[in-house]
Amino acid sequence: GENVEQHPSTLSVQEGDSAVIKCTYSDSASNYFPWYKQELGKGPQLIIDIRSNVGEKKDQRIAVTLNKTAKHFSLHITETQPEDSAVYFCAADAGGTSYGKLTFGQGTILTVHP
Amino acid sequence: DSGVTQTPKHLITATGQRVTLRCSPRSGDLSVYWYQQSLDQGLQFLIQYYNGEERAKGNILERFSAQQFPDLHSELNLSSLELGDSALYFCASSATPRTGITDTQYFGPGTRLTVL
Repeated sequence: GENVEQHPSTLSVQEGDSAVIKCTYSDSASNYFPWYKQELGKGPQLIIDIRSNVGEKKDQRIAVTLNKTAKHFSLHITETQPEDSAVYFCAADAGGTSYGKLTFGQGTILTVHP
Repeated sequence: DSGVTQTPKHLITATGQRVTLRCSPRSGDLSVYWYQQSLDQGLQFLIQYYNGEERAKGNILERFSAQQFPDLHSELNLSSLELGDSALYFCASSATPRTGITDTQYFGPGTRLTVL
């Protein structure tokens, strides 16, 4: 089955700096790669997603890049703010007939210091 | 607020017991997914339903079962509970799936299950 590795497990930055989180996946049939932000006591919230026919996608301070050949994708957050502090998860969908199933990375705890 | 609702927020029970977790999807969404989040296993897919039918299955234990009702709400039943079943259980929903394409999944606030 699909395996998703996420790094780093913790990331500490100063306010205004950039943060980068990287994920690799194993199933070459995966086509959909969402990123979720989870705050304490809440459910995961989608922040951005990308599909395999696109190499990069941006939404204000957040961007995601995808390299299908190398099977890795990354989340970039620019001009970080304290409210960006949370746990971030990457995920990849399953190929074939189980295409709705998401496999998640282990998460990155991002701390933005004021 | 994602529009997905889950009840109850917290559940404390004893080993060997059975519990039912409930999920209402976003208005108009036909697919419901259940995930388990624990410290050692992370966020893991359990099962997906689409318009009342089971669509995909993950590493769901035989002691666990789910169903989706005609009004599209879903229930996850956990029986013969063990200490290791203590976790956060999330429900997510998505719109009508297009064949071969994974739609965006919106997560509910979760149910925290504690088995003593």
